[in-house]
Amino acid sequence: EIVLTQSPGTLSLSPGERATLSCRASQSIRSGFLAWYQQKPGQAPRLLIYGASSRATGIPDRFSGSGSGTDFILTISRLETEDFAFYYCQQYNSSPLTFGGGTKVDIK
Amino acid sequence: QVQLQESGPGLVKPSGTLSLTCAVSGDSISSNNWWSWVRQSPGKGLEWIGEIYYSGSTGYNPSLKSRLTTSVDKSKNQFSLKLNSVTAADTAVYYCTRRRDGIPYIDVWGKGTTVTVSS
Repeated sequence: EIVLTQSPGTLSLSPGERATLSCRASQSIRSGFLAWYQQKPGQAPRLLIYGASSRATGIPDRFSGSGSGTDFILTISRLETEDFAFYYCQQYNSSPLTFGGGTKVDIK
Repeated sequence: QVQLQESGPGLVKPSGTLSLTCAVSGDSISSNNWWSWVRQSPGKGLEWIGEIYYSGSTGYNPSLKSRLTTSVDKSKNQFSLKLNSVTAADTAVYYCTRRRDGIPYIDVWGKGTTVTVSS
């Protein structure tokens, strides 16, 4: 099973600041097989990024993904109030599909 | 627009069976998709439970495989989950989801349903 480790656990930032979230895999993942989701309290997760760097439909361009192999990054260039939420990475390079433990982005 | 709606008992007794159904609208259960379940324990992260294709092919999380059964009902355009021998550790919000065949991520989620395991 591929274990995904996200860091930091919590990121406290102010609106307008840049957020950098990390996802590290226990073994190499093909870039096409890494995705990111956003989840707000009481809601289901929403697909943000697929294929490590492609934005899903309707996702603003302040969200970007990068990385390869075992290290992947989600960047939010300028935080807006609606971006304060939990973020999860996910892989399906090999079964079982696994998620990272999540990063909470909260308001400083 | 594709919508998924979970339904089932919100309370299950320990050692009992957790049964959930997901109704699919806006898409055919027989299309090229994998229909899956993801759960989230209180205050915790996301855990993939498993998935099923309309043909009956399945993929399960090894940690749950021995207790898990999934099925598809083409006549009702829905799919189902049964998890037996439940304990308090199975208390969670359960989401039904869609993953397109050949695509390694989930693109549609249901709103989720809370299941509590308690006597």
